[in-house]
Amino acid sequence: DAKTTQPPSMDCAEGRAANLPCNHSTISGNEYVYWYRQIHSQGPQYIIHGLKNNETNEMASLIITEDRKSSTLILPHATLRDTAVYYCIVRAPMDSNYQLIWGAGTKLIIKP
Amino acid sequence: DTGVSQDPRHKITKRGQNVTFRCDPISEHNRLYWYRQTLGQGPEFLTYFQNEAQLEKSRLLSDRFSAERPKGSFSTLEIQRTEQGDSAMYLCASSGRPGGYTFGSGTRLTVV
Repeated sequence: DAKTTQPPSMDCAEGRAANLPCNHSTISGNEYVYWYRQIHSQGPQYIIHGLKNNETNEMASLIITEDRKSSTLILPHATLRDTAVYYCIVRAPMDSNYQLIWGAGTKLIIKP
Repeated sequence: DTGVSQDPRHKITKRGQNVTFRCDPISEHNRLYWYRQTLGQGPEFLTYFQNEAQLEKSRLLSDRFSAERPKGSFSTLEIQRTEQGDSAMYLCASSGRPGGYTFGSGTRLTVV
């Protein structure tokens, strides 16, 4: 079973910040939080990952709570092309078991 | 194009026929993964290669499924005696480091 819980769907207005929450209350100390997204009919695309510090890249920002039991992915200025299913995954990068365990994700719809 | 390539993009086959899919990973990536995704669900892990060695297989990978990665380059996934339940998107991903997956666009299989 997936180790994360995400809302099944969210809406956001174009140009506004999209904030996608993820609960991972059973996260272990060596597990990272990864975010991927999947645009319709395409393979998943890596967005960002972090351990405990907040992270930012050209696509998004990742805010992880101090207790690491939840996180938020922020798309600062959402565009229509950001409409996708967003997946939050936790895993330890150095696990010998390299598979990712995926939940159902959050379907984000950006509205004009 | 330096991404992960999958071929074909779509495959329609009759029940009972054999099908084979190909994945060309990013050339410098030594890790290769196969996932299966059904509608509305996140991807499910099938198998993992490090170079030419198949190191892990999911219980989802029945005896009808076989994967190879000769010489540690491209990989093939074959399904023998296809069943309607095999209809899904088959995703390939490669990685040069733990966690940093790059996915292909997938092969959508429809068994009629």
